Amino acid sequence: GAGVSQSPRYKVAKRGQDVALRCDPISGHVSLFWYQQALGQGPEFLTYFQNEAQLDKSGLPSDRFFAERPEGSVSTLKIQRTQQEDSAVYLCASSLGGTRKETQYFGPGTRLLVL
Amino acid sequence: AQRVTQPEKLLSVFKGAPVELKCNYSYSGSPELFWYVQYSRQRLQLLLRHISRESIKGFTADLNKGETSFHLKKPFAQEEDSAMYYCALLYNNNDMRFGAGTRLTVKP
Repeated sequence: GAGVSQSPRYKVAKRGQDVALRCDPISGHVSLFWYQQALGQGPEFLTYFQNEAQLDKSGLPSDRFFAERPEGSVSTLKIQRTQQEDSAVYLCASSLGGTRKETQYFGPGTRLLVL
Repeated sequence: AQRVTQPEKLLSVFKGAPVELKCNYSYSGSPELFWYVQYSRQRLQLLLRHISRESIKGFTADLNKGETSFHLKKPFAQEEDSAMYYCALLYNNNDMRFGAGTRLTVKP
């Protein structure tokens, strides 16, 4: 079956623009995670959904970042008024159950460049 | 604060040589540790987790609580092992922290 997909794969934005990044998790997966990966670093946790409920948003760096998963499947990460420091790869991952111990399956990522 | 340290950004070995990718963590509780791998042009994927005590693709990793380490080892490296490797710590049963990664190159 299909794995986790993300779109767009690449996004160039001018500073101050709003962007929306989409994640399609594996069908039936309860948990969905967003990570930010800066150049030369490991992924850093942003937020976590269990079905449509956002249970943890402690990693979101500012109130410019907003994520939703309204129907418990597709998720969107929105960044308002983008800044240069937002340039990174944004990874989405999903897992079958509702605990964080389960294997996470990652998407290919969206590479965001803010000019 | 919880931290995962991978001291080597780059590691290069010859095919057939042993390889060890180092990972140290700081966490006072009971840790759960993972190794993730990203091959060229592929997505990040789980390689192994300490709780399973498994060997995947010839790799093993032992949790050493005394040294707070979870080093990844393989006795005979293969060219197809060349990839980016990330050590990750799950703490409080909830929060995942990744190291900065080590790029392994296995030369022919």
